[in-house]
Amino acid sequence: DQQVKQNSPSLSVQEGRISILNCDYTNSMFDYFLWYKKYPAEGPTFLISISSIKDKNEDGRFTVFLNKSAKHLSLHIVPSQPGDSAVYFCAARLQTGANNLFFGTGTRLTVIP
Amino acid sequence: NAGVMQNPRHLVRRRGQEARLRCSPMKGHSHVYWYRQLPEEGLKFMVYLQKENIIDESGMPKERFSAEFPKEGPSILRIQQVVRGDSAAYFCASSPSDPQLTDTQYFGPGTRLTVL
Repeated sequence: DQQVKQNSPSLSVQEGRISILNCDYTNSMFDYFLWYKKYPAEGPTFLISISSIKDKNEDGRFTVFLNKSAKHLSLHIVPSQPGDSAVYFCAARLQTGANNLFFGTGTRLTVIP
Repeated sequence: NAGVMQNPRHLVRRRGQEARLRCSPMKGHSHVYWYRQLPEEGLKFMVYLQKENIIDESGMPKERFSAEFPKEGPSILRIQQVVRGDSAAYFCASSPSDPQLTDTQYFGPGTRLTVL
């Protein structure tokens, strides 16, 4: 049962343009959301997070938007750079205090120079 | 400031052998999580440990798999009598002592287990 879904397995964007990665979830008990970036043969690297009490969090070129009513979040990267090419995972945590993360299946972003 | 360390990075075992995967959390972190990633899939939670305690093992198969985080030394994920379906990347993550203060888990580079 995939509670966190990333329906686009891949995305290609021109350098300098905006990349928008999407994530949907089914469990309304999730209270904290994270985005990780992963290069081949490496572990996921934390990028940015958002609490369910907020609808936007920004850190440099990265902004995460949360729409709780739609159970949808998105990661915006602007401007996109070739070094951003990687697999991006959306993850969520339950508010029950269980600290394990539920991950989506990932979106492979390719930024074309 | 070293990050989460895992070893070995690559492990090859024949069916029926045992696999031992090690994880040293970041300095100052006492919470360890193990995740498994099968090819073309996302990471799946297996077990959450604190020093000398298993807090949540709901994601771990009931048989052949065990985990520990002793008072001294790294956390160990042990897989007995490995089968081909155990071939995957196993990631360890750690978080600071009080998860209520910081919600972010930091991941190691992973151990890629191949069962022949």
